[in-house]
Amino acid sequence: QQQVKQSPQSLIVQKGGIPIINCAYENTAFDYFPWYQQFPGKGPALLIAIRPDVSEKKEGRFTISFNKSAKQFSLHIMDSQPGDSATYFCAASKFGDDKIIFGKGTRLHILP
Amino acid sequence: DAGVIQSPRHEVTEMGQEVTLRCKPISGHNSLFWYRQTMMRGLELLIYFNNNVPIDDSGMPEDRFSAKMPNASFSTLKIQPSEPRDSAVYFCASSTGGSNTEAFFGQGTRLTVV
Repeated sequence: QQQVKQSPQSLIVQKGGIPIINCAYENTAFDYFPWYQQFPGKGPALLIAIRPDVSEKKEGRFTISFNKSAKQFSLHIMDSQPGDSATYFCAASKFGDDKIIFGKGTRLHILP
Repeated sequence: DAGVIQSPRHEVTEMGQEVTLRCKPISGHNSLFWYRQTMMRGLELLIYFNNNVPIDDSGMPEDRFSAKMPNASFSTLKIQPSEPRDSAVYFCASSTGGSNTEAFFGQGTRLTVV
């Protein structure tokens, strides 16, 4: 059973566009929702994270929107650039548990 | 700190052979994770350790897989015997432990079993 469902699997956006990646979860015990970014040949690295007590978090061009009642959260990339082309993973973890459960990932390609 | 160090970066082996992947976590980190990445399944958590003790190995696919952490600075993931379906990129990650902390990933080991 997949605990964190991510969509779409792949996404192509023109430079300057706003790619949106969506995730949904079932376990209401999850209380920390990070996004990781992975470039080819590298390991994933933390990009931005949110806790369920806020509905939105912005860091630079990256924004997480969080809907607690729907158990959904999404990543928006403003003014996307070719350098943002990477695989993005949403994830979830819960208080008292070290492990991080990842979605299947979204391969994003920004056209120049 | 050099970050999480994994070796080898690439491994090609024949079906039936034993494969050992190695990981050195970031000094001072208490938690260590082994993940497997494939196109079909994404990033799957195989096992994680806290203070060198295995806490959750429910993601280990079968008895052919085993992991050890003999001390705070070293961990291994062993596959014996290896099969073609084990081909994937295997990542080691470490964190300071506790809830809601960042995991730092190594560069991964790309395993190909032929």
